[in-house]
Amino acid sequence: DAGVIQSPRHEVTEMGQEVTLRCKPISGHNSLFWYRQTMMRGLELLIYFNNNVPIDDSGMPEDRFSAKMPNASFSTLKIQPSEPRDSAVYFCASSSRTSGRGTQYFGPGTRLTVL
Amino acid sequence: RKEVEQDPGPFNVPEGATVAFNCTYSNSASQSFFWYRQDCRKEPKLLMSVYSSGNEDGRFTAQLNRASQYISLLIRDSKLSDSATYLCVVNPEGGTASKLTFGTGTRLQVTL
Repeated sequence: DAGVIQSPRHEVTEMGQEVTLRCKPISGHNSLFWYRQTMMRGLELLIYFNNNVPIDDSGMPEDRFSAKMPNASFSTLKIQPSEPRDSAVYFCASSSRTSGRGTQYFGPGTRLTVL
Repeated sequence: RKEVEQDPGPFNVPEGATVAFNCTYSNSASQSFFWYRQDCRKEPKLLMSVYSSGNEDGRFTAQLNRASQYISLLIRDSKLSDSATYLCVVNPEGGTASKLTFGTGTRLQVTL
């Protein structure tokens, strides 16, 4: 079975450019999470969706960040405009009611570098 | 105070050694607890849940002390393949769809 799929795996862009990260959760999973990981701050939850509805976006750093989940099999995280401090690894994870408490399946991540 | 705190390490231990990591959490109402493992430049993966009575999975033993709000992970007979970062994780709300709070991780390096 395919796991969580993220694209692109690596992104290098210049400050001020728009960046769009994509995620396809595991089929049948109804919860989707976006995380950011840096050496200094570790793994931080940005936003999560249940049944395609955003439930908690309190971790989104600022208005430059936005996330959508138009259907159960696709989500995007957009940064516009990007800044060097946005450089990090961005993970998407999904879970279901039957996957067990605390079990989230992570994608391989997108390594973002903003120059 | 951070919601979940861990010693970042690194813990450098020889193969075969026993090593223990601790983690503290700030929210006394937290419902469930876990250890995740993250290999270098890879995604985190669930290692095991942590139950109040303590639980064991092969060489790994997890303990929870609710009164002191700390969680531990013990690894016996360390293998080279155990080298990774171990993330302490707390679910403050309960339920499968609620958010997890991750510690920054403890790095373990097992050597020959």
